[in-house]
Amino acid sequence: QSALTQPPSASGSPGQSVTISCTGTSGDVGLYNHVSWYQQHPGNAPKLMIYEVIKRPSGVPDRFSGSKSGNTASLTVSGLQAEDEADYYCSSYAGTNKLIFGGGTKLTVL
Amino acid sequence: EVQLVESGGGLVQPGRSLRLSCAASGFNFDVFAMHWVRQAPGKGLEWVSSLSWNTNSVGYADSVEGRFTISRDNVQNSLYLQMNSLRPEDTALYYCAKDSGGYGSGSLDCWGQGILVVVSS
Repeated sequence: QSALTQPPSASGSPGQSVTISCTGTSGDVGLYNHVSWYQQHPGNAPKLMIYEVIKRPSGVPDRFSGSKSGNTASLTVSGLQAEDEADYYCSSYAGTNKLIFGGGTKLTVL
Repeated sequence: EVQLVESGGGLVQPGRSLRLSCAASGFNFDVFAMHWVRQAPGKGLEWVSSLSWNTNSVGYADSVEGRFTISRDNVQNSLYLQMNSLRPEDTALYYCAKDSGGYGSGSLDCWGQGILVVVSS
């Protein structure tokens, strides 16, 4: 079980858009539409931002969007705001009742 | 309000055991899968284990398979993690998390605040 691959860092200025990638394999991201994205601020528990690749839970701003192509999923944050600065993690169902997380991406709002 | 509260953590010597508990409230506990996810100090999230609503489907990370056992009590609205043969690398903040479905597909829509487990002599 290798972690999904995320860039360690990403950044953008307020109002800009930033996209974070999450690369897996044909056995997880590429096979299942159970990709989720989580936001974690320092000292806090993670928060679900995107599930089933493209769906947003109630209360999550529509500035957050998800997509997938092949073995790579992506999270796009549009109209960056200061409060978006956080760590972001992707996860995917990997079959046989297993989940796998990405290594995390630290998003900095410049 | 959906709430998950973990307990049972602490300092334990390598090779010893510990049992974590997670008390759930504010939702129908008996229809959702539940998970344990851990985060080592300064590190990323690592999925540990999941259990379906009816306990028929269970999964473990390779790193804990054979040492940890997940269980649940749908009457007491509680989730458990029995951790045996603990190793220093098991040191982490352990989160209890609720799945949005019954079979643990991995949309974790509610998380506890976590409980710290430190494995050290």
